[in-house]
This record gives sequence, structure tokens and C-alpha cells, in this order.
Amino acid sequence: EIVMTQSPATLSVSPGERVTLSCRASQSVSSKLAWYQQKPGQAPRLLMSGASTRATGIPDRFSGSGSGTEFTLTVSSLQSEDFAVYYCQQYNDWPRTFGQGTKVEVK
Amino acid sequence: EVQVVESGGGLVQPGGSLRLSCVPSGFTFSNFWMSWVRQIPGKGLEWVANIKEDGRETNYVDSVKGRFTISRDNGNNSLYLQMDSLRVEDTAVYYCVRGGWYAVYWGQGTLVTVSS
Repeated sequence: EIVMTQSPATLSVSPGERVTLSCRASQSVSSKLAWYQQKPGQAPRLLMSGASTRATGIPDRFSGSGSGTEFTLTVSSLQSEDFAVYYCQQYNDWPRTFGQGTKVEVK
Repeated sequence: EVQVVESGGGLVQPGGSLRLSCVPSGFTFSNFWMSWVRQIPGKGLEWVANIKEDGRETNYVDSVKGRFTISRDNGNNSLYLQMDSLRVEDTAVYYCVRGGWYAVYWGQGTLVTVSS
């Protein structure tokens, strides 16, 4: 099973700041990496697939990069609605596996 | 508008059974892989099972293999998850999602609680 590790576990930031979240895979997943955003009481929402392709309706302040085992999700200027938990997920192999999440909270 | 609506969750004793259902709308159900993903309250996500468009291929995470069965009825636009021999550690919110690789659309989830 491919283990996905996200860092940091929690990020305390102020609105308007640039944020970078990291995700590492225990073996190469090529570019088969998705990112999700989850707010309290809601289902996760797809942000990115193919490591860098934004899902429909996702603003361009979100960007993804990486391939192989190292990936990043960047929010260029954090808005109030972006405070949430972010998960990465690999789909190169079965079982599909998620990282443990990074919580982005208000500083 | 794409929607998926789950039902069937509830409280069940260890060793018991439960059947979850999912009814999608806003897309041609028979054209897409479908999956179930679960989340222990306050914890992370686990991809439980997926099923091919025609139902002829299924995959399960090891922790549920032999106990859970994913199925679909394309004629009735429905996805199911039959859960047998339930364990306390199966307690989670179960999401029906469109996609077999990554989850493009999610339902609101249905809570399954396994407790005596």
C-alpha cells in the first residue's frame, strides 16, 4: 500500500498570505495525485487532479505541482473561505490512499 | 446539477449487517466508475471500494475484503454497499462518490455506527 504523508499537520496563517502544503508518497505515483478541501460538516471537495489540473470552478489562486513522490498545493493569497483541511490522494495504485490531512487555520 | 444521495446508515451491533444505497442524478450513471469512501468522525479518509461502469470489476481495501460487497443497478440508477460482519472500527461516515480513481463528486454522507 502506498503511504501518503502530508506536512505540516497544522498551518496557522493570516488572510492574504501565500500557503504551501506538502504531500509525499512512499513510492512513485507519477502524476496521479488529487487534492481535496474539506470544511467542517461538509464532504470533501475536489480541488485538483493530475497533480496540477484544477477541478471545475476552483479559483486560480490554487495551484498544484510535483510528480513522482513529492507534491505541493499552493494557495497564492489565502481567502477567509480557504480555511479548511486539505487532503492529498494517490490513484496510481490500489488501494487508493489519502494523506492524513493538513489543517489550515487562522493565525 | 450532479448530485449523489446516500441512505441506509444507522446504529448496528458488532457482527451485524447494513446495506447502504446511493442514488445519483445529473449524469449518466452507467457511464462512470463509482466508489464508497469512508471517514471516521474527526479523522482521515479511507477509500473502501470501487466498481466499474458495467459492474464486472470491483476492488476492496483489505480491511473490508470478504465482509463488504459493492454493487450497482444501472437500470435503477443505484449504487449499493452491503456491509456484513460489521466491526466497531467500521464506524464512520460513508460517502458515495463518482469516480474510481479520484472523487469528482461526493454525497453528503451517511453515518454508520457499530456499537453494542
